[in-house]
Amino acid sequence: AQTVTQSQPEMSVQEAETVTLSCTYDTSESNYYLFWYKQPPSRQMILVIRQEAYKQQNATENRFSVNFQKAAKSFSLKISDSQLGDTAMYFCAFMNRDDKIIFGKGTRLHILP
Amino acid sequence: KAGVTQTPRYLIKTRGQQVTLSCSPISGHRSVSWYQQTPGQGLQFLFEYFSETQRNKGNFPGRFSGRQFSNSRSEMNVSTLELGDSALYLCASSADSPKGYTFGSGTRLTVV
Repeated sequence: AQTVTQSQPEMSVQEAETVTLSCTYDTSESNYYLFWYKQPPSRQMILVIRQEAYKQQNATENRFSVNFQKAAKSFSLKISDSQLGDTAMYFCAFMNRDDKIIFGKGTRLHILP
Repeated sequence: KAGVTQTPRYLIKTRGQQVTLSCSPISGHRSVSWYQQTPGQGLQFLFEYFSETQRNKGNFPGRFSGRQFSNSRSEMNVSTLELGDSALYLCASSADSPKGYTFGSGTRLTVV
């Protein structure tokens, strides 16, 4: 079975610091997609960043970047220069060939002023 | 461009009743997926529709059903509600699924 594990249930960092959220996954497939979604108190899931497994280059979106280690099945998210608006629940997600998204349990991130 | 719209935002139902939730995808998106989010189980996939056909189904009992209309709008129905069905139900749409889904703000269902 495909699983996604986020080992950090909750984290707190000071504003402007850099924070890394961990994610590991398990699959026997060779081609798949990985995502980080953010869910603020408004409840809406917002796509932060996407990585295609066949691409070796790590995806980057402004202050957000990933460290994708395919062999280790690891997909961590780094947030640089963290801002108060980054406070949210972050979900790591895996999409298999059936287009079904499997989510991790989430990491609650607090950015402190 | 309007986002994914889910109605209603909040719903309170009594055990044994049935409920219908609605999702209007982003214009042009033909794929609609539904997820159940609870504190204990996290986000779980319910089903996915594409061009009015159910393409995928998660591991939920038959009380959970859905459909998609020709305009891509989707509804999900839960019959014989149980207390454990209390959850946030999220809908997501996609034009080209590998690019990721766009989610709505969800419907918060409370069963009493």
